[in-house]
Amino acid sequence: ILNVEQSPQSLHVQEGDSTNFTCSFPSSNFYALHWYRWETAKSPEALFVMTLNGDEKKKGRISATLNTKEGYSYLYIKGSQPEDSATYLCAPTRDSNYQLIWGAGTKLIIKP
Amino acid sequence: NAGVMQNPRHLVRRRGQEARLRCSPVKGHSHVYWYRQLPEEGLKFMVYLQKENIIDESGMPKERFSAEFPKEGPSILRIQQVVRGDSAAYFCASSPIPGPSYEQYFGPGTRLTVT
Repeated sequence: ILNVEQSPQSLHVQEGDSTNFTCSFPSSNFYALHWYRWETAKSPEALFVMTLNGDEKKKGRISATLNTKEGYSYLYIKGSQPEDSATYLCAPTRDSNYQLIWGAGTKLIIKP
Repeated sequence: NAGVMQNPRHLVRRRGQEARLRCSPVKGHSHVYWYRQLPEEGLKFMVYLQKENIIDESGMPKERFSAEFPKEGPSILRIQQVVRGDSAAYFCASSPIPGPSYEQYFGPGTRLTVT
């Protein structure tokens, strides 16, 4: 069973500030890591899928890094905006298993 | 360009009744995943289907739950003889390509309430 931990559980950030949070997972048999953004009353939306150690992906002001050897990924948001308020979920997979094992998420609240 | 559609969005059933949840994937996607979110918990994988095939149902309870994805029409998650513990949000997602290294597109979910 994969134990996926996300920290912090929640985060209040002033508009304009940059922030980051962590997803930790067992490194053995790692296959892929998904990051999703989930706004209240909407559907989870895919941000990144990462597979390679050292991989870094970017989409606008959001970027993510991956360390498969030590089992963690960071998500960074530069210059936070109110529309960034959401819960950010990570979900690794093991081997080539189709199952995404979801973390509990980091709830990000941007204060104007 | 319609995304994943789920209906109904809200479903109320009395204990012992059947619940049928429908999911229409993104047009052209032939891979469907069902997830359940119990109150105060995270998403949990239930089942992965391709057209006319169940690929992985290891996350689905062995009794009362079944899923299908016929050649024509939406994917159906069926819960027979519902109990209060089945109250949850059920999400489906689809992808055009199989495998864990491709992103999934989620529907808005069906919120099932068992009274």
